[in-house]
Amino acid sequence: DIQMTQSPSYLSASVGDRVTISCRASQKISSYLNWYQQKPGKAPKILIYTTSSLQSGVPSRFSGGGSGTDFTLTISSLQPEDFATYYCQQSYSAPRTFGQGTKVEIK
Amino acid sequence: QVQLVQSGSELKKPGASVTVSCKASGYTFTTYAINWVRQAPGQGLEWMGWINTNTGNPTYAQGFTGRFVFSLDTSLSTAYLQINTLKAEDTAVYYCARAIVTTGYNWFDPWGQGTLVTVSS
Repeated sequence: DIQMTQSPSYLSASVGDRVTISCRASQKISSYLNWYQQKPGKAPKILIYTTSSLQSGVPSRFSGGGSGTDFTLTISSLQPEDFATYYCQQSYSAPRTFGQGTKVEIK
Repeated sequence: QVQLVQSGSELKKPGASVTVSCKASGYTFTTYAINWVRQAPGQGLEWMGWINTNTGNPTYAQGFTGRFVFSLDTSLSTAYLQINTLKAEDTAVYYCARAIVTTGYNWFDPWGQGTLVTVSS
């Protein structure tokens, strides 16, 4: 199985900050990397698919990058509604493993 | 609009069975696979497997074989997750999610709202 490791697991930031979350795969997964946002008590929502494609309706302050084993999710200017937990997921092979999540909280 | 609507919360005793439903609307049900994802309390997301809505063929992740059953009723555009011989550690929120597949890439969108299954004596 491909292991996905996110860092950090938790980060505290202020509105307006630039935030970057990292995700590392245990083997190369090309661009088969998705990012989801989950708010408390809600279902996850797709933000970015195939590493860098922004889902329709998602604000352009979100961006994704990387390839191979190392990927990033960047929020260029953190907004109050962005405080949530973010998960990366590889879709290169089954099982479709997720990272452990990064919780973004208000400083 | 495309949506998946799941059945409500369940409270079950150890050893019982539970069935969670996931009703799709806004698209042709048999065009997209349905995946199931578990989230234990305070924990992350765990992929359980998927079911081909065209053939009905299920695929289970390791750790979800034996007691877990994926099924369909295509006439109702509904997928089901049945969990047998429930254990306390099955307590979790269970999500269904539609798999979008294009040129080999795939992702989950949308997700159902989740169904909390609580196993307690």
